[in-house]
Amino acid sequence: GENVGLHLPTLSVQEGDNSIINCAYSNSASDYFIWYKQESGKGPQFIIDIRSNMDKRQGQRVTVLLNKTVKHLSLQIAATQPGDSAVYFCAETTGGGNKLTFGTGTQLKVEL
Amino acid sequence: DAGVIQSPRHEVTEMGQEVTLRCKPISGHNSLFWYRQTMMRGLELLIYFNNNVPIDDSGMPEDRFSAKMPNASFSTLKIQPSEPRDSAVYFCASGRGDQETQYFGPGTRLLVL
Repeated sequence: GENVGLHLPTLSVQEGDNSIINCAYSNSASDYFIWYKQESGKGPQFIIDIRSNMDKRQGQRVTVLLNKTVKHLSLQIAATQPGDSAVYFCAETTGGGNKLTFGTGTQLKVEL
Repeated sequence: DAGVIQSPRHEVTEMGQEVTLRCKPISGHNSLFWYRQTMMRGLELLIYFNNNVPIDDSGMPEDRFSAKMPNASFSTLKIQPSEPRDSAVYFCASGRGDQETQYFGPGTRLLVL
């Protein structure tokens, strides 16, 4: 039969532009969120995290925004570079537990 | 610092054979997770351990899959007998029990013919 895989949303940006990757989560009890980056052929790599008592957190060239009202998480990458090309996953967990629930991912493509 | 180490990195086997995947977590981490990633289903948690004890194995597909963690520095995921639908990338991740962040290994790419 035909192999139908997950359809990953794709975001294409020009090098140097800012990127915004979005994630909707479903569990209103989730209190900790992580963004992972997965390059082709590699494992997911931790980028940045945020707790539910915050609505914004900044790292180096990355910012995570959390809107608990609409259960929305976003990752902003400033001055996107070719090395940022990857699949980006959001993950959530509840109550200090270890179990993470991952989103389906967004493919970021950086065009030169 | 060494990250999570997985072996083998690639495995090609025939249907019906036993497959054993290995993982060494980051030193000092006491939580260990096995995931499977496919195009069809994305990233799925199979099982996780805290302090070498299996906590949640609800993601293990069926009895053909088993996982062990005999000590804090080693875990195995075994598939017996393997089937073509087991073809996937299997990731091991580790974390500190008091923190939610998980750190992933490079994965084992399994192809069952």
